[in-house]
Amino acid sequence: RKEVEQDPGPFNVPEGATVAFNCTYSNSASQSFFWYRQDCRKEPKLLMSVYSSGNEDGRFTAQLNRASQYISLLIRDSKLSDSATYLCVVNMAGYSTLTFGKGTMLLVSP
Amino acid sequence: EAGVTQFPSHSVIEKGQTVTLRCDPISGHDNLYWYRRVMGKEIKFLLHFVKESKQDESGMPNNRFLAERTGGTYSTLKVQPAELEDSGVYFCASSPLPVLVSNEQFFGPGTRLTVL
Repeated sequence: RKEVEQDPGPFNVPEGATVAFNCTYSNSASQSFFWYRQDCRKEPKLLMSVYSSGNEDGRFTAQLNRASQYISLLIRDSKLSDSATYLCVVNMAGYSTLTFGKGTMLLVSP
Repeated sequence: EAGVTQFPSHSVIEKGQTVTLRCDPISGHDNLYWYRRVMGKEIKFLLHFVKESKQDESGMPNNRFLAERTGGTYSTLKVQPAELEDSGVYFCASSPLPVLVSNEQFFGPGTRLTVL
């Protein structure tokens, strides 16, 4: 079983749509959770951290369910510039290293 | 402020040759990480330095890979001899504090390695 699992997509949505990505992680000792964004042939960049109470940053909302070991990212009012691969990333307690999912590709069309 | 830089951006070598990748972290960042993404797979951790010391090298695939960070500034990752399965994108990341505290690692643009 993969440590972090994501639907690879692609998710094809029109501009203005709302889209949600899900991610599950296998290690219950995971402590910190993130969504990174990676544009084609570029480096990953932190989009947002995910907190237990859920958090929002503009059009982006992240949720964490520790009991189900499940993380989600909701994007509202999609923009063309949101087209990218979204990486679900976790950090195990006591370790600094990041564990990545394979990513979910989002394509926003006009 | 300059970001993490990596050199070269691309490298094409033949099986059995040696390649050395370089990473310059953001100035002042004590933590330096190497990750790798092979085609079709997720990004995977290789190694973590704190200053010049190897904190965690549990992700290094085998002894053909050697990472150094002399002086605690830039780091090199040498692959010797390279094999076909070493092809992929090698990312370097840095952070001022462990991710447990800072919650962010800053990634370089990566080195795309192709072994023929």
